[in-house]
Amino acid sequence: QQPVQSPQAVILREGEDAVINCSSSKALYSVHWYRQKHGEAPVFLMILLKGGEQKGHEKISASFNEKKQQSSLYLTASQLSYSGTYFCGTGYAGGTSYGKLTFGQGTILTVHP
Amino acid sequence: DTAVSQTPKYLVTQMGNDKSIKCEQNLGHDTMYWYKQDSKKFLKIMFSYNNKELIINETVPNRFSPKSPDKAHLNLHINSLELGDSAVYFCASSQGAGLAGKNTGELFFGEGSRLTVL
Repeated sequence: QQPVQSPQAVILREGEDAVINCSSSKALYSVHWYRQKHGEAPVFLMILLKGGEQKGHEKISASFNEKKQQSSLYLTASQLSYSGTYFCGTGYAGGTSYGKLTFGQGTILTVHP
Repeated sequence: DTAVSQTPKYLVTQMGNDKSIKCEQNLGHDTMYWYKQDSKKFLKIMFSYNNKELIINETVPNRFSPKSPDKAHLNLHINSLELGDSAVYFCASSQGAGLAGKNTGELFFGEGSRLTVL
């Protein structure tokens, strides 16, 4: 089951903040966040594991709410380099899903000067 | 020194042809994957191998046949290409795909191979 990301697209000016959400209908074990720039490969940002932890990576941080089966990615004081498509990838407990990440449909983030 | 490398980067071919994409990783990872990204940017897993053993086969048509000669290499062969096979195919690797379902391994993606079927 594919996780659902919202919003589908965000347009920001440099210095503004954004939140991208990722929701699952199934109980999650892990959530990955990746950023993909046009014509390039997705690049890892962070992993959050079951336990409701919050992680930070410079001005990009994320939270994982196990009860709500969702994760949020926070981008603060956005920079032009933040532009790209953001994907969440979800890992589920269960033998048939070994090593499998299911990606959301992506959120396109555009930062203007 | 590229961590995950795929060849070729671009493939343009006619319907009905057979083509292969090769992938190599020098990260020492134990798990490798093929993902397909369609024109709407949807990233979908196709296969994964752990130490040369097929772990995930996501109801991909059997025209697609992956092969892992060793844990550093994962190739994808596609027979009888169809228009709908046009996409970008990403190889990826990770260490510690972990216990069943507990994917804690960060994915390292190759640059992608853009396949266009005419």
